[in-house]
Amino acid sequence: GDSVTQMEGPVTLSEEAFLTINCTYTATGYPSLFWYVQYPGEGLQLLLKATKADDKGSNKGFEATYRKETTSFHLEKGSVQVSDSAVYFCALWDRDDKIIFGKGTRLHILP
Amino acid sequence: NAGVTQTPKFQVLKTGQSMTLQCAQDMNHNSMYWYRQDPGMGLRLIYYSASEGTTDKGEVPNGYNVSRLNKREFSLRLESAAPSQTSVYFCASSRQGSYGYTFGSGTRLTVV
Repeated sequence: GDSVTQMEGPVTLSEEAFLTINCTYTATGYPSLFWYVQYPGEGLQLLLKATKADDKGSNKGFEATYRKETTSFHLEKGSVQVSDSAVYFCALWDRDDKIIFGKGTRLHILP
Repeated sequence: NAGVTQTPKFQVLKTGQSMTLQCAQDMNHNSMYWYRQDPGMGLRLIYYSASEGTTDKGEVPNGYNVSRLNKREFSLRLESAAPSQTSVYFCASSRQGSYGYTFGSGTRLTVV
């Protein structure tokens, strides 16, 4: 079945550092891909999405590009802030109209 | 504000007790979902409802029942709570899955 694999955390960076969180997927066809963010004590929020190969999703300085050839959707940000500390989930939409989530990557940003 | 509303936010149950988690959305979405979130496990789908009047099992349905009361409301019931059901429960809704989900703020349930 479809699945999502993302890098395990926690990831700890200093403020203004470059961020990459790796995500790869296994799926039949070309599913829509998502990154969700969860701040402490809150539900998940959609951060960005891409619906077809080579699409780039972007929001709040974060970017991810849908790479069909490597089945990847890595999340990047050029300069992280303390306020970016959260748990990040990579996800895909499967053919049964359900979203499958990775296990999440906790990000800590140090001032 | 428009969105997904879950009640209660916190609950402590004794083993064997029953309770219903409530979820309502005001975005006219067709599909609704219940997930549980456990440390190191990510989100696991319990049940979902693709439209009013239909429900289907997800990855971890044992010990739970659901009701899609109308288009707005989708409740999750624990008939006889067990400590293994200690978790954070999230409800979500979507117009269509490819657009992404809108999540509620969660219910933190502890079964002692």
